Amino acid sequence: AQRVTQPEKLLSVFKGAPVELKCNYSYSGSPELFWYVQYSRQRLQLLLRHISRESIKGFTADLNKGETSFHLKKPFAQEEDSAMYYCALSPGSSNTGKLIFGQGTTLQVKP
Amino acid sequence: DGGITQSPKYLFRKEGQNVTLSCEQNLNHDAMYWYRQDPGQGLRLIYYSQIVNDFQKGDIAEGYSVSREKKESFPLTVTSAQKNPTAFYLCASSPRRQGVTQPQHFGDGTRLSIL
Repeated sequence: AQRVTQPEKLLSVFKGAPVELKCNYSYSGSPELFWYVQYSRQRLQLLLRHISRESIKGFTADLNKGETSFHLKKPFAQEEDSAMYYCALSPGSSNTGKLIFGQGTTLQVKP
Repeated sequence: DGGITQSPKYLFRKEGQNVTLSCEQNLNHDAMYWYRQDPGQGLRLIYYSQIVNDFQKGDIAEGYSVSREKKESFPLTVTSAQKNPTAFYLCASSPRRQGVTQPQHFGDGTRLSIL
């Protein structure tokens, strides 16, 4: 079954500390992985996707097919990073554009 | 900002009543999606449409219906058959491109409650 698991409901760190939001997936083919973010009073929006291999707002994520993971990392957290983060998977072969979302992790960055 | 407009923001439903949630987009996207968001469960796909006059069931379609008569519009009806309709509903859209999944753009959502 295709599934995305975000094991942490809440991650609380101090400003300047490193951050790692975990994402594990279950899919037998070649998935496309995404991180979406929802800041307070804003819409859910794309943060980054694995095929872009880019850093957005200091965040990076590497697809590890061996561990079936796509963890989101940032070396120094900022207060403005506080938000809800969702990891999402698109089955690469389906071509429907469908996304399977994880349960979400709330990141709280304390001053 | 524009893009995707969902209305109303809050909606109340009486027992046995059907209600329709509106979703309109001006992004010229072919594909549109409806998700349900419950605390601790992330987003679950209800229905999606890749093109006008065509739509498919998602993971939790029971008790819901949709139509896609225009490219810009993808209304969702929550029928009386949906026994637990209280939730936050999100609409999204994306362009279509062969071989690569395009990012989805989301609306502000509609919160539906039972009276």
